[in-house]
Amino acid sequence: DTGVSQDPRHKITKRGQNVTFRCDPISEHNRLYWYRQTLGQGPEFLTYFQNEAQLEKSRLLSDRFSAERPKGSFSTLEIQRTEQGDSAMYLCASSREGNSNQPQHFGDGTRLSIL
Amino acid sequence: AQSVAQPEDQVNVAEGNPLTVKCTYSVSGNPYLFWYVQYPNRGLQFLLKYITGDNLVKGSYGFEAEFNKSQTSFHLKKPSALVSDSALYFCAVIGVTGGGNKLTFGTGTQLKVEL
Repeated sequence: DTGVSQDPRHKITKRGQNVTFRCDPISEHNRLYWYRQTLGQGPEFLTYFQNEAQLEKSRLLSDRFSAERPKGSFSTLEIQRTEQGDSAMYLCASSREGNSNQPQHFGDGTRLSIL
Repeated sequence: AQSVAQPEDQVNVAEGNPLTVKCTYSVSGNPYLFWYVQYPNRGLQFLLKYITGDNLVKGSYGFEAEFNKSQTSFHLKKPSALVSDSALYFCAVIGVTGGGNKLTFGTGTQLKVEL
């Protein structure tokens, strides 16, 4: 396993700008998840893909957020018109297909700071 | 709805002493339960999981966890703590029925192991 890879590790941007993050899952994993973690909190679920299909979205995922996984491999998370409240760590995870008891393996995250 | 409570923000223990990090959960039906550890500026690292069967689950780095259905608890334990165990620990749950594939995390417990 080469692990889940996320890029960039850090992103600083001005309020109102658009940002895009990339996640490369573990190669044999066909499930991919995005979570958001704010200071002092546990990660909160945003969305989930099985292969290229986005199967579940949280109500936390406003219209400004969009995620894609076009070929069932890497995924991107885009935030449009960023706001101060978007400042957080964005975590990607992947898991094997199977029951929901398959452990999710996390990347090191992208830390977003909105000026 | 599923939820996790970690009642202690911080646990302090001397190296060589046993440690316990507490977790209680709420789900409809049976749970899948997980423990993760997070080091500063890193993602979450999977430690262990409970699916079914033996209530005592063994995981990575000498950690184990005890599932108690009547108390809806899943406490993390280690017989002899190391300074290198100092980190942020998260308990997470997925409901077997209706939980989908999203992990619901507690707010985390900071473990500090001192010499």
